[in-house]
Amino acid sequence: DTGVSQNPRHKITKRGQNVTFRCDPISEHNRLYWYRQTLGQGPEFLTYFQNEAQLEKSRLLSDRFSAERPKGSFSTLEIQRTEQGDSAMYLCASSLALRQGYTFGSGTRLTVV
Amino acid sequence: DAKTTQPNSMESNEEEPVHLPCNHSTISGTDYIHWYRQLPSQGPEYVIHGLTSNVNNRMASLAIAEDRKSSTLILHRATLRDAAVYYCILRDVDSGYALNFGKGTSLLVTP
Repeated sequence: DTGVSQNPRHKITKRGQNVTFRCDPISEHNRLYWYRQTLGQGPEFLTYFQNEAQLEKSRLLSDRFSAERPKGSFSTLEIQRTEQGDSAMYLCASSLALRQGYTFGSGTRLTVV
Repeated sequence: DAKTTQPNSMESNEEEPVHLPCNHSTISGTDYIHWYRQLPSQGPEYVIHGLTSNVNNRMASLAIAEDRKSSTLILHRATLRDAAVYYCILRDVDSGYALNFGKGTSLLVTP
């Protein structure tokens, strides 16, 4: 078990470009979460999947953001028409059950220039 | 979820016990108390959680007040690797899936 894997670790993109991040959760974990963290702040919840179903989305997830989890395994988070305000660390976490702790990945740091 | 209040920062000496406080005066009966920590340049790491009774694991102990309006994360013997931001989070699993992180307590451990 290698934990939660996120790729890429770093991404620099020009404003207006689209970016996609990937998260590979722990294999037996059926629950997957995306968070965003800006400097000096705690992580903010974006969205939650149980298997392939997206069950909850934060109001932070504007229509430029989309997340998928095909076949209930890995997940992708896409940001279209990136803005400078999208610059942040994007964290993925997974868990086996609601009452268990989450395992987080190391995140993807996005810089929009 | 109800809110938590934590000191912005704390400092401890290496090999000494550390008591990290958290106030949650509006906690509901179904809120679990979770603690996570985040080392620099890493994602958060689960530490411990509990509902009413004190909890112990290999990383730390969680002491919960009898009225549940406060709790304390106890690191029995701080090491330099324990320097991190510690988050106290309340989570009602019956009403949502999100962990609502605040700003946490930044723990500095000095040799």
